[in-house]
Amino acid sequence: QVQLVESGGGVVQPGTSLRLSCAASGFAFSSYGMHWVRQAPGRGLEWVAVIWHDVNAKYYADSVKGRFTISRDNSKNTVYLQMNSLRAEDTAVYYCARDYRNGRNDYWGQGTLVTVSS
Amino acid sequence: QSALTQPASVSGSPGQSITISCTGTSSDIGGYNYVSWFQQHPGKAPKLIIYEVNNRPSGVPDRFSGSKSGNTASLTISGLQAEDESDYYCSSFTSSSTWVFGGGTKLTVL
Repeated sequence: QVQLVESGGGVVQPGTSLRLSCAASGFAFSSYGMHWVRQAPGRGLEWVAVIWHDVNAKYYADSVKGRFTISRDNSKNTVYLQMNSLRAEDTAVYYCARDYRNGRNDYWGQGTLVTVSS
Repeated sequence: QSALTQPASVSGSPGQSITISCTGTSSDIGGYNYVSWFQQHPGKAPKLIIYEVNNRPSGVPDRFSGSKSGNTASLTISGLQAEDESDYYCSSFTSSSTWVFGGGTKLTVL
């Protein structure tokens, strides 16, 4: 069965970096786009980034552009989110989600919590 | 990348129907049929309930339906049940090849 498992969250200070991982299993990972979506405590969902199966195709929300980098390793069935220059407002649960086609995010991970605080 | 506009809350009694609207622009909802709806219970990951405006994944009851007119998409839940009480989010593809979510709607079943 399809499974997405995020890891790498934690408590970090403002201005530092963190890398999140999302390990996928149960499907042909290299054939699908993958998204990162976050949710600040008590707030709504916010789309963060997408990487298509063509690894050169990556897109970001304006709020993270220039600070976050999405990447994937198809040999490891894993998608990453490198987060630099972290701010308090980046505090959120970060979810990865598979894109079956055209934004059909049919599978989601359980999320990993990132807390940016001094 | 402004968030799509959803009502903060809606409510209905069991058996009734409710509709949640999701308003965007011609650069997102109005320009593409790539609108999805998600249900999220507290502390859980979102669950896809509608994709490409009006398609239901397998396993989602046919009480859930989606539609779109111009720059506004809608989610209708008919025959409301207690377990439908949840948060609902719309999302859309945009002309920048990015995605945008709505602010979310809390559905209360009275």
